[in-house]
Amino acid sequence: KAGVTQTPRYLIKTRGQQVTLSCSPISGHRSVSWYQQTPGQGLQFLFEYFSETQRNKGNFPGRFSGRQFSNSRSEMNVSTLELGDSALYLCASSLAGVYGYTFGSGTRLTVV
Amino acid sequence: KQEVTQIPAALSVPEGENLVLNCSFTDSAIYNLQWFRQDPGKGLTSLLLIQSSQREQTSGRLNASLDKSSGRSTLYIAASQPGDSATYLCAGGDAGGTSYGKLTFGQGTILTVHP
Repeated sequence: KAGVTQTPRYLIKTRGQQVTLSCSPISGHRSVSWYQQTPGQGLQFLFEYFSETQRNKGNFPGRFSGRQFSNSRSEMNVSTLELGDSALYLCASSLAGVYGYTFGSGTRLTVV
Repeated sequence: KQEVTQIPAALSVPEGENLVLNCSFTDSAIYNLQWFRQDPGKGLTSLLLIQSSQREQTSGRLNASLDKSSGRSTLYIAASQPGDSATYLCAGGDAGGTSYGKLTFGQGTILTVHP
């Protein structure tokens, strides 16, 4: 079966711009989580959506937002990009947390 | 607040060695622990998932154990191969409440297996 699909794989944006990343979960998975990975901070939790509702949010500024659609696909948006937003953004899907998480290949965002 | 620590930060071994990666967590109220592998620039590949009610899980040359009382998990890799070279991450899944969808990750162990 298809895994978690993230698009695009790579993005280069300029400071001050905004960006939207997309994640398609495994068929049947209703939980989608987003993480930011940087060399200095490691993997940090951004937020989680389940059936179109945000159930949990990490400690990130309001510039980071997300949403989930009725087909469970999710998008995250970062507005007013800063150089420090350069990172690998990973999404993960799950049937339910107790069953573990499957990650996508990530979107590499570079802010210049 | 859950904190996860992995030791060692890096490990270099010759091919064929058996090795152990360590993971410790501060909050024993986890409902599962998952081990992942990450190749450079890539996403995470799930290796093993251990539920809080289990003591260990095995897949091929990999064996992971979980001791909630001591806050520790270990990943044992038997007969290591150069293809095992990657970063290994452990992550704790916290019990319900406000922790939906959140895994708390360690900083990882960078493993290099040389021929």
